[in-house]
Amino acid sequence: GAVVSQHPSRVICKSGTSVKIECRSLDFQATTMFWYRQFPKQSLMLMATSNEGSKATYEQGVEKDKFLINHASLTLSTLTVTSAHPEDSSFYICSARLPATDTQYFGPGTRLTVL
Amino acid sequence: GDSVTQMEGPVTLSEEAFLTINCTYTATGYPSLFWYVQYPGEGLQLLLKATKADDKGSNKGFEATYRKETTSFHLEKGSVQVSDSAVYFCASTNAGKSTFGDGTTLTVKP
Repeated sequence: GAVVSQHPSRVICKSGTSVKIECRSLDFQATTMFWYRQFPKQSLMLMATSNEGSKATYEQGVEKDKFLINHASLTLSTLTVTSAHPEDSSFYICSARLPATDTQYFGPGTRLTVL
Repeated sequence: GDSVTQMEGPVTLSEEAFLTINCTYTATGYPSLFWYVQYPGEGLQLLLKATKADDKGSNKGFEATYRKETTSFHLEKGSVQVSDSAVYFCASTNAGKSTFGDGTTLTVKP
C-alpha cells in the first residue's frame, strides 16, 4: 500500500512552546490530508481536513489558532501546536487520501508530551 | 450524522480460533467501508475495504462483506495467530469524510 510518514515520531516540549509535526505522502500526491487526535484506548477524533493550496477545514470544537495547519505542497502537510499545554499531550495521526478514491493511508503517529 | 458501531472488546482468543468482530454503520447514501488495524504505538494500517454493496474485502486471511440490507461489515478470520493481536477499527467514508468505530482490542494467546 501507499506510504505516509510523520515526523517526529515522539516529541517532548515545555508548556508554552510550539511544536510542528510533518506529514508526508511518499509515493503519491495527496490534495487532501487529515489530522486526527487519539487518546489512550480511544478512537480517532478528526481535528481538521487539510487541502493543498487552501485553508484547512476544522471540526467543531477544534481551535484553528491553536492547531495551525499548512498544506503547502501535494506531498506535505504540517500541524503546529501553538503555545502547547499539558492537556495537548496526545497521539496525533495524519492520513493522506489517495486521489479519486475514498482510501486513506495513515502515518505512524506522533506522540506529543507537554511538560 | 454518520456513525459506526463495532463490537466492544476486549476479545481474547486462542491461536487458530475463529474470529468475528461485528461492525454496523448508519449513513446517508452509499459509503465505502474499511477495516484498519493498529499495533501498539503505531498509526493505522489499512487491512481491507469494500466500496459497494456485496463487495468482499480480503487481506491476510481477513474478510469482510459489505451488507447493505443489514448495514454491516463484519470482520472475520478463520484461524487467528498471535501476531494478529492488535486494535481493529471499522470505518465508513462518505462524501470524503470518515467516521471510525471505537476500536476492538484483540488478544490472541498461544
